[in-house]
Amino acid sequence: DAGVTQSPTHLIKTRGQQVTLRCSPKSGHDTVSWYQQALGQGPQFIFQYYEEEERQRGNFPDRFSGHQFPNYSSELNVNALLLGDSALYLCASSWGTGRNTEAFFGQGTRLTVV
Amino acid sequence: DAKTTQPPSMDCAEGRAANLPCNHSTISGNEYVYWYRQIHSQGPQYIIHGLKNNETNEMASLIITEDRKSSTLILPHATLRDTAVYYCIVRLSSGGGADGLTFGKGTHLIIQP
Repeated sequence: DAGVTQSPTHLIKTRGQQVTLRCSPKSGHDTVSWYQQALGQGPQFIFQYYEEEERQRGNFPDRFSGHQFPNYSSELNVNALLLGDSALYLCASSWGTGRNTEAFFGQGTRLTVV
Repeated sequence: DAKTTQPPSMDCAEGRAANLPCNHSTISGNEYVYWYRQIHSQGPQYIIHGLKNNETNEMASLIITEDRKSSTLILPHATLRDTAVYYCIVRLSSGGGADGLTFGKGTHLIIQP
């Protein structure tokens, strides 16, 4: 059983560019959440997708957007990249939107903005 | 969600029990306590969660005080592979509604050989 898979694993972008990160949830999961983890910090919640809609959002600007597809996979898009967007981006999947469900995380995409 | 307080770092000898404390004095009655850990360069890994009663699984035990204001995660026989940052998180329990995990800085547990 494949867990949560993310692509690419590493990415280097130039300031001002746009980037798309991808996530395939664990088999049987229908909810995908995205997190940003800066160096030395805990992950910070960006947003969550369920039934192809954004259900909840953390304190991130509109430059961060996402999408969920009918097969439950998801994309995270970041526009007008800033140096401060350099971070590990983590995807987590779970079943349903109830708060008692455990989330499974992928290995992350390391984004470097230069 | 309630805030949590954890020591920034702890050491433990290999083979001994590692006891990681967490303070969540403002926890409300329907908030669960969750523990995740993150090994260097990997995504966080779910360990265990509980509401009121103590919980045990193949990875760890969770002891929650009677007043629920604090908890302890116990790794019974720590190995070098348990070296990681451990996060204690409280989450509101409800029948529905999306939510995200609120991570603090966690405890960096170092297992010494």
